[in-house]
Amino acid sequence: DIQMTQSPSSLSASVGDRVTITCRASQSISSYLNWYQQKPGKAPKLLIYGASSLQSGVPPRISGSGSGTDFTLTISSLQPEDFATYYCQQSYSTPTFGQGTKVEIK
Amino acid sequence: EVQLEESGGGLVQPGGSLRLSCAASGFTFSSYSMNWVRQAPGKGLEWVSYISSSSSTIYYADSVKGRFTISRDNAENSLYLHMNSLRAEDTAVYYCVRDLYGDYGSVFDIWGQGTLVTVSS
Repeated sequence: DIQMTQSPSSLSASVGDRVTITCRASQSISSYLNWYQQKPGKAPKLLIYGASSLQSGVPPRISGSGSGTDFTLTISSLQPEDFATYYCQQSYSTPTFGQGTKVEIK
Repeated sequence: EVQLEESGGGLVQPGGSLRLSCAASGFTFSSYSMNWVRQAPGKGLEWVSYISSSSSTIYYADSVKGRFTISRDNAENSLYLHMNSLRAEDTAVYYCVRDLYGDYGSVFDIWGQGTLVTVSS
């Protein structure tokens, strides 16, 4: 299986901050990388697919980039509703997820 | 509105069985591949199983292979997960998930609210 490693595991940030989360694959996955947001007690929500394509309804302050083994999720100006846990997922082969990155209020 | 609603979770003893169901509405169920994804309490997400739109292709995670069976009934807009020989490590919230499977592989765009399975004596 392809292993996905996210960093950091958690971070503290303030409203308005620029936040970057990194996801690294154990082998090249081209652009087969998706990002999800999960709030406590809720199901995950698709944010980004194909490494950089924004899912319908997701605000443009959220963006994704990368290819091969290294990927980034960026929130350009953190809003109160963005405090959540974020997961990357590779769709190159049998799906696997990163361990998650919890974004907390500073 | 596009919706997925799981049911069938509960408390079961180790070695027991359970069948989860997922009712789909608001979209053409028979056109989409579907998955089960689970999340142990306080842990991350783990993909469990995939079934293609026509049931011709099925995959399982190694952790459940030989114990779990995925199936679907397109006439009833329903997805199922039959779980046998349950273990404590199968304790999790189980999500029914729609798959956009295509140019970008398995992309999980619609999730149900989840159903909790607890395996304990």
